Amino acid sequence: ELKVEQNPLFLSMQEGKNYTIYCNYSTTSDRLYWYRQDPGKSLESLFVLLSNGAVKQEGRLMASLDTKARLSTLHITAAVHDLSATYFCAVGGSQGNLIFGKGTKLSVKP
Amino acid sequence: DAGVIQSPRHEVTEMGQEVTLRCKPISGHDYLFWYRQTMMRGLELLIYFNNNVPIDDSGMPEDRFSAKMPNASFSTLKIQPSEPRDSAVYFCASSDPGQGTYNEQFFGPGTRLTVL
Repeated sequence: ELKVEQNPLFLSMQEGKNYTIYCNYSTTSDRLYWYRQDPGKSLESLFVLLSNGAVKQEGRLMASLDTKARLSTLHITAAVHDLSATYFCAVGGSQGNLIFGKGTKLSVKP
Repeated sequence: DAGVIQSPRHEVTEMGQEVTLRCKPISGHDYLFWYRQTMMRGLELLIYFNNNVPIDDSGMPEDRFSAKMPNASFSTLKIQPSEPRDSAVYFCASSDPGQGTYNEQFFGPGTRLTVL
């Protein structure tokens, strides 16, 4: 059974600091997704990572994938308040579905 | 495309009533997913369809829940009878396994259900 673990589940950061969210998964998959959810809103796709070593960046967020280690990271650079949200990673299942982690609730404080 | 459309956006009902949630996926998407999200249990996959056929309904909590997809552009999730513990936000998502999106799921705005 494919399992996805994120850590930390809660993260309180100071503005301007850097931090990394980790996503580990239990079995082989070649697709890894990151989503963002603002409070009271829906999930919005951030990144789709499709191969070992893939790296994608959007503004202060950078995601990477290591399929051999079954690990993806979401790195936050010089955090700002607008990045406060819950971030989910998800791994592609065998039947077209995605297996989601529990989410990391990020709070960026001034 | 307008994205995934869900209705209603908010529903308040009394225990024992039937509730029907509706979803229109993105045109051309082969997969449709129903999720439920609560503070206590997080994001849960209830059921998903491929080409209108249910693939996995193991997440449906009990017989009070049922889902249908009569055609490629419409799906319903029905709860009968509803109970207070069904209060949650219900999301519908759709995806396309093709080269362009690689099963990336696109979520609708959700239906916030409150059962009194």
